[in-house]
Amino acid sequence: SAVISQKPSRDICQRGTSLTIQCQVDSQVTMMFWYRQQPGQSLTLIATANQGSEATYESGFVIDKFPISRPNLTFSTLTVSNMSPEDSSIYLCSVVFAGQGADTQYFGPGTRLTVL
Amino acid sequence: QKEVEQDPGPLSVPEGAIVSLNCTYSNSAFQYFMWYRQYSRKGPELLMYTYSSGNKEDGRFTAQVDKSSKYISLFIRDSQPSDSATYLCAMSGGTGTASKLTFGTGTRLQVTL
Repeated sequence: SAVISQKPSRDICQRGTSLTIQCQVDSQVTMMFWYRQQPGQSLTLIATANQGSEATYESGFVIDKFPISRPNLTFSTLTVSNMSPEDSSIYLCSVVFAGQGADTQYFGPGTRLTVL
Repeated sequence: QKEVEQDPGPLSVPEGAIVSLNCTYSNSAFQYFMWYRQYSRKGPELLMYTYSSGNKEDGRFTAQVDKSSKYISLFIRDSQPSDSATYLCAMSGGTGTASKLTFGTGTRLQVTL
């Protein structure tokens, strides 16, 4: 079965700094997404990572705060910029594999971020 | 009001019990319904995927959708300690917004020996 990996798995950062999270898939995917999972809250979609073009952001999320890149079909990065303690969360990428329906999303293991 | 409501639990059951997990939703446009299982410090794992109303069975798991009541369920038969996890329901609409999943907050399940 396909492997979705994320780096780093966890990090502790100081406020005001930025962290870039990587998502790598070892199979062909058609779509990639970034989610946030805060304690006691549901997974929330941040943006759809589009290959070769700007990501599509959901309401409440902006490119300056969460810049996203997707240089090829199987790799994407999410940067959390100018971090504050409110950004402490688990960040997850999800993918749709080629040949499957757009609603069938598979998740990476997540990146646990703590901002001090 | 949240689009998807899910009791957070925790739900504690003895090994071998039948578990019923449920979600209600308000958006009648939802057509695709998923259940994910998430172990502690892991990413969500897709368990079941159903389209529209009806039942779907996979081993010990049965997913049920009642669109008229806007209510979905996941049943786990012969529950095992390895089923202890958080179960997330998710749903999405049709063409155009099909890729955006709306999640419940998750129900934490503990299966005891």
